[in-house]
Amino acid sequence: EDQVTQSPEALRLQEGESSSLNCSYTVSGLRGLFWYRQDPGKGPEFLFTLYSAGEEKEKERLKATLTKKESFLHITAPKPEDSATYLCAVQEDQAGTALIFGKGTTLSVSS
Amino acid sequence: DSGVTQTPKHLITATGQRVTLRCSPRSGDLSVYWYQQSLDQGLQFLIQYYNGEERAKGNILERFSAQQFPDLHSELNLSSLELGDSALYFCASSSGSEKLFFGSGTQLSVL
Repeated sequence: EDQVTQSPEALRLQEGESSSLNCSYTVSGLRGLFWYRQDPGKGPEFLFTLYSAGEEKEKERLKATLTKKESFLHITAPKPEDSATYLCAVQEDQAGTALIFGKGTTLSVSS
Repeated sequence: DSGVTQTPKHLITATGQRVTLRCSPRSGDLSVYWYQQSLDQGLQFLIQYYNGEERAKGNILERFSAQQFPDLHSELNLSSLELGDSALYFCASSSGSEKLFFGSGTQLSVL
């Protein structure tokens, strides 16, 4: 059973059309939830870390929120340059545990 | 540029062969992580080293091994290669916080 599930797998938006990506997780104790952006042929690039339910982080057109069982990445008025794969990862509440990644949501924004 | 350097960028080899992937972490980072990324499995954690010592192990096959040297660079050795080992292999480093910085990856093709 996957511990981190992202939906949808793929999302196509028109420029300016806001939407949200979902990340649900089933780890027993959450140390942190991470969002990364990955462009084709490149390594993931860190966006946000969220630690507790109710926490929100923003960066330009992106806003990440966290509840006890899921996180959302809201994209407001996206631009074509926001096209990428967005990865969610969790770290369990045990020392020395590595990040567990979801399979990602591939976002395409057309002008 | 994340500051993490991986070589080579591309590697083409045959089944049964052995290859070595190299990673230089960001200056000052003591932790190095290895991940495998394939289309169907997403990013899978393989192994973590901290200041030369193995810290955590994930879904790493017995045919695979890694080490971190005194200068903190790391190598991932893959032996008895199979077609299914074809994937993108990423190295990431961190300073001790959970925020990982990824390299650009090594694309391994086993023919």
